[in-house]
Amino acid sequence: GDSVTQMEGPVTLSEEAFLTINCTYTATGYPSLFWYVQYPGEGLQLLLKATKADDKGSNKGFEATYRKETTSFHLEKGSVQVSDSAVYFCALSDVEGGSYIPTFGRGTSLIVHP
Amino acid sequence: GAVVSQHPSRVICKSGTSVKIECRSLDFQATTMFWYRQFPKQSLMLMATSNEGSKATYEQGVEKDKFLINHASLTLSTLTVTSAHPEDSSFYICSASSWGDTDTQYFGPGTRLTVL
Repeated sequence: GDSVTQMEGPVTLSEEAFLTINCTYTATGYPSLFWYVQYPGEGLQLLLKATKADDKGSNKGFEATYRKETTSFHLEKGSVQVSDSAVYFCALSDVEGGSYIPTFGRGTSLIVHP
Repeated sequence: GAVVSQHPSRVICKSGTSVKIECRSLDFQATTMFWYRQFPKQSLMLMATSNEGSKATYEQGVEKDKFLINHASLTLSTLTVTSAHPEDSSFYICSASSWGDTDTQYFGPGTRLTVL
C-alpha cells in the first residue's frame, strides 16, 4: 500500500533560519501530494499541494516540489518566523476503487525561537 | 471557501454513554468525508471514509459498531461513539473533499473527547 515518510521532530530553529522538512512517499498510482499544517489545539489546514511531477506548490513563503524521480516532496522556507511553530504533515492522495484515499505521514513538529 | 465545521469542539462524558460529533461542510458539497483520530505525539489515524447516502468504509481495526458513521447529506456527516470508555478519549477530526477538488481534503477544527 501507499506510505509517506517524513523526518521525525521536533525541528528547532531560530527565527529567520532556513527550514527543510523532508518527505518521501511510495505509491502504486500517480498521487497528488500535500503539506498540511496544524497549529496547537486546531485541525489541519492545507498549506500547499502539487498534482504532477515537477509541479511546485507554494504558500505563505513555503515551497515544495513534486519530484517523481526521487519520490520526494520536501518542504522549504527561506526564513521562518515564530508564528510558523506548528506540526507539519506530508500527505498523498491516490485513487483507490474510484475514490481518492489519503495517506499521511506522522507529522513533524517545528519550534521556532525568537 | 472550503470551510468545514465540527461540533462540539469539546465534550466530556461519563463512561458508558454515547457521544455524537457533527461535521459540516459550510460552503461546498462534500463528495466524501473522512474521520480521523489523532493520538498524542501527532499521529493521525484514518478511521473511516464515507460517501453521501452509502455505508461508511472502515479501516482495519476500527470497530464499526462502536464508531457509527452517518453521512445523511452532502454537507453533513456524524460520528457517534457508542458506550464510550476512557480509552476512547482522543482528538477526533473530520475532513471533506468537494466535487471540484476531489483529491484535496479540508479539515474541521477537531473535537476533544474526554471520557471519565
